[in-house]
Amino acid sequence: SAVISQKPSRDICQRGTSLTIQCQVDSQVTMMFWYRQQPGQSLTLIATANQGSEATYESGFVIDKFPISRPNLTFSTLTVSNLSPEDSSIYLCSVERLAGGTGEQFFGPGTRLTVL
Amino acid sequence: GDSVTQMEGPVTLSEEACLTINCTYTATGYPSLFWYVQYPGEGLQLLLKATKADDKGSNKGFEATYRKETTSFHLEKGSVQVSDSAVYFCALSDRGGGSYIPTFGRGTSLIVHP
Repeated sequence: SAVISQKPSRDICQRGTSLTIQCQVDSQVTMMFWYRQQPGQSLTLIATANQGSEATYESGFVIDKFPISRPNLTFSTLTVSNLSPEDSSIYLCSVERLAGGTGEQFFGPGTRLTVL
Repeated sequence: GDSVTQMEGPVTLSEEACLTINCTYTATGYPSLFWYVQYPGEGLQLLLKATKADDKGSNKGFEATYRKETTSFHLEKGSVQVSDSAVYFCALSDRGGGSYIPTFGRGTSLIVHP
């Protein structure tokens, strides 16, 4: 299994500012994923981050709003830019289990963002 | 595209009651199926999985059987505990573009009272 940590665990931010969320994995992984989980809702995939290449964004998410870095095989950051109250959500990173190749994912504990 | 439909919650039960959370899916390929659990204030963690038709996944007293004929993967437990209170997500993973990016259901909140 993979151990994933996220920082910060929670934050309260002002409208118009930005928040950068860090995701650290205890082993090297090819693909890392960023999700948004709004209150009472399911997970929505924001983007997939491969090391050494541009992130692949899902429909409705753009790089200017959600820039992602993936400098190495154990680390990624997601920035939520120009914050508005609608960005209040839990942001989760995850990695895919490679052994067995069945699609099992390991999740970080999440970052709870509140925008005032 | 792929989709997962699970019953809406919250599901409220007394301790030791039986639990069933329904999950059905649509997929173009032959997906793997999963149940994830999210305890309050935590991230998701895998509860159980099944990778082919008729497989039964089980863990912590929970079970789910991969039913291809009914495209279902219902979660069951014979006797729930207060500690089972959490949100449960049904998911499928269908290899596409070289990666198993999963599709999640909306989640079902389970509340177990003493």
